[in-house]
Amino acid sequence: GIQVEQSPPDLILQEGANSTLRCNFSDSVNNLQWFHQNPWGQLINLFYIPSGTKQNGRLSATTVATERYSLLYISSSQTTDSGVYFCAVKDRDDKIIFGKGTRLHILP
Amino acid sequence: EPEVTQTPSHQVTQMGQEVILRCVPISNHLYFYWYRQILGQKVEFLVSFYNNEISEKSEIFDDQFSVERPDGSNFTLKIRSTKLEDSAMYFCASSEKRGSYNEQFFGPGTRLTVL
Repeated sequence: GIQVEQSPPDLILQEGANSTLRCNFSDSVNNLQWFHQNPWGQLINLFYIPSGTKQNGRLSATTVATERYSLLYISSSQTTDSGVYFCAVKDRDDKIIFGKGTRLHILP
Repeated sequence: EPEVTQTPSHQVTQMGQEVILRCVPISNHLYFYWYRQILGQKVEFLVSFYNNEISEKSEIFDDQFSVERPDGSNFTLKIRSTKLEDSAMYFCASSEKRGSYNEQFFGPGTRLTVL
């Protein structure tokens, strides 16, 4: 099945810093999503981005499907950005396959 | 913007008890899913549901689990006799259509704690 690898596994940054999270996937996909899991465990939909670039406030994402990777950019980090960021792709059986996530700690 | 909602946000139960986790998918969506995340692990697929039938289920989804769409708005996951290892976050998702090009919209999750 499709493998989803995220890097780095952990990231500690000072408030105000910028960050780039990477997601590599092992097979061509037509469906890629980014999620934020907050410290209470809730999952928040960030982007549906099978290709191209999208922006939402301080967050943006780029997927290069032909090269099988996606990047999530967070600018001017705030402490509320802390949590785990998941990349997920859809397999041929309509199941979403999640990566292990990048745990982000933003220090005040 | 329409969203998937889940209740309760946190459920605590005793081992052996039955629990029902509830989800309200986005209103025009026809495909429904449950996923599970054991603490510190990846989010894993449990089951997909369409037209009042299970479309696909994972190995995790054994006879202790069942899903139902009891009315036009709710989608439920029932665990008949909970075990300690059922403690996890449970996420509901829905999509308008099936297939690669369609986004699955996830709810915020229900944290199930089995004591």
